[in-house]
Amino acid sequence: QVQLVESGGGAVQPGRSLRLSCAASGFTLTSYGMHWVRQAPGRGLEWVAFIWYDGNDKYYADSVKGRFTISRETSKNTLYLQMNSLRVDDTAVYYCAKDHGSASYPIDYWGQGTLVTVSS
Amino acid sequence: QSVLTQPPSVSGAPGQRVTISCSGTSSNIGAGYEVHWYQQLPGTAPKLLIYVNSIRPSGVPDRFSGSKSGTSASLAITGLQAEDEADYYCQSYDISLSGVVFGGGTKLTVL
Repeated sequence: QVQLVESGGGAVQPGRSLRLSCAASGFTLTSYGMHWVRQAPGRGLEWVAFIWYDGNDKYYADSVKGRFTISRETSKNTLYLQMNSLRVDDTAVYYCAKDHGSASYPIDYWGQGTLVTVSS
Repeated sequence: QSVLTQPPSVSGAPGQRVTISCSGTSSNIGAGYEVHWYQQLPGTAPKLLIYVNSIRPSGVPDRFSGSKSGTSASLAITGLQAEDEADYYCQSYDISLSGVVFGGGTKLTVL
């Protein structure tokens, strides 16, 4: 069955970097697009980034464009989110999520999330 | 401020029917992009409830249904149960933003 396991979260100071990982199993990243979605404490869901199944196209929310980079390592079936120049308002639980493949990017599987806390 | 607008909260008694609205614009729902719905129970990851406006994934009870018209969409829950108490989010795609957009979420309280 599909499983997504995130890691790499933690506490970091503003301006520093962090890389999140998401180990996928039960499917291959070369067959489906993948998302990162975050949720600040007590707040709603915010889409962060998306990478196409072929890895050729990537899309980002305006709030992270130029600071975050989504990537993958197909040999490890692992998705990444490189987060640079972190800000206090980047504090959130970050979910790795699998795209269903249908129109308008529905997400059919989510990881358990990893908490990123940006604070001085 | 979310791109898609949902009511912050709705409530209903067990057995009743409730609806949750999701209002968009001509850049997303009104442009023909599909709407999806998620249920998030406290302390857990979201779960896909409805996709492509009205399709239920396997395992989702038929008490949940979705519809879309114009620049808005709705999630209806009939035969309300205590276990339905959760946050519900709509999601679509926005051509102006070139990205996925979520509603702000609606907290459903079962009285």
